[in-house]
Amino acid sequence: DVKVTQSSRYLVKRTGEKVFLECVQDMDHENMFWYRQDPGLGLRLIYFSYDVKMKEKGDIPEGYSVSREKKERFSLILESASTNQTSMYLCASTLGQEHYGYTFGSGTRLTVV
Amino acid sequence: AQSVAQPEDQVNVAEGNPLTVKCTYSVSGNPYLFWYVQYPNRGLQFLLKYITGDNLVKGSYGFEAEFNKSQTSFHLKKPSALVSDSALYFCAVREAGGFKTIFGAGTRLFVKA
Repeated sequence: DVKVTQSSRYLVKRTGEKVFLECVQDMDHENMFWYRQDPGLGLRLIYFSYDVKMKEKGDIPEGYSVSREKKERFSLILESASTNQTSMYLCASTLGQEHYGYTFGSGTRLTVV
Repeated sequence: AQSVAQPEDQVNVAEGNPLTVKCTYSVSGNPYLFWYVQYPNRGLQFLLKYITGDNLVKGSYGFEAEFNKSQTSFHLKKPSALVSDSALYFCAVREAGGFKTIFGAGTRLFVKA
């Protein structure tokens, strides 16, 4: 069964900390995505990558950066965590063809205190 | 710009009755449309998609969705609801040729026994 694995299920970090969220997929997918999910707002795209070392800003990239050094791994970095970044973070991947659905990880619930 | 609207925050239905979860969309080109389901504390799971062809598409767990181009809608349906269908449902759209998938805010479905 194909999988997208997010390294942490729950995280609690302090304001100002640098936070790394890791995502690994075992499906040889080209495209990977980071979304954040907030009640009433649905999923909002932070960053995405369509190839190794390539990245594109989504709709809400401010305060975040990403890294994709290997095809299977896509990391989300919060440079200096703030309380308004408390959220559920979801990683997803898909094949290069645009009409495939996404495979999502189980999510990381991040609380910044 | 792409957008998705799910006009109902919550839908309540009795077990055994048909259910409908509504979705309307806006894209400038041809749409690829998707439905996802999220169970508590889990990532999203792909249910079904419309790419082209027959306006009625069938997906997982007995769900189906009807694409209506003139009304720019893609409503999710099931003939007979189960208590286990209770979850959060997301509609999503991607413009043909694009990388980004835009998600709606989600509709919570409650099925009463």
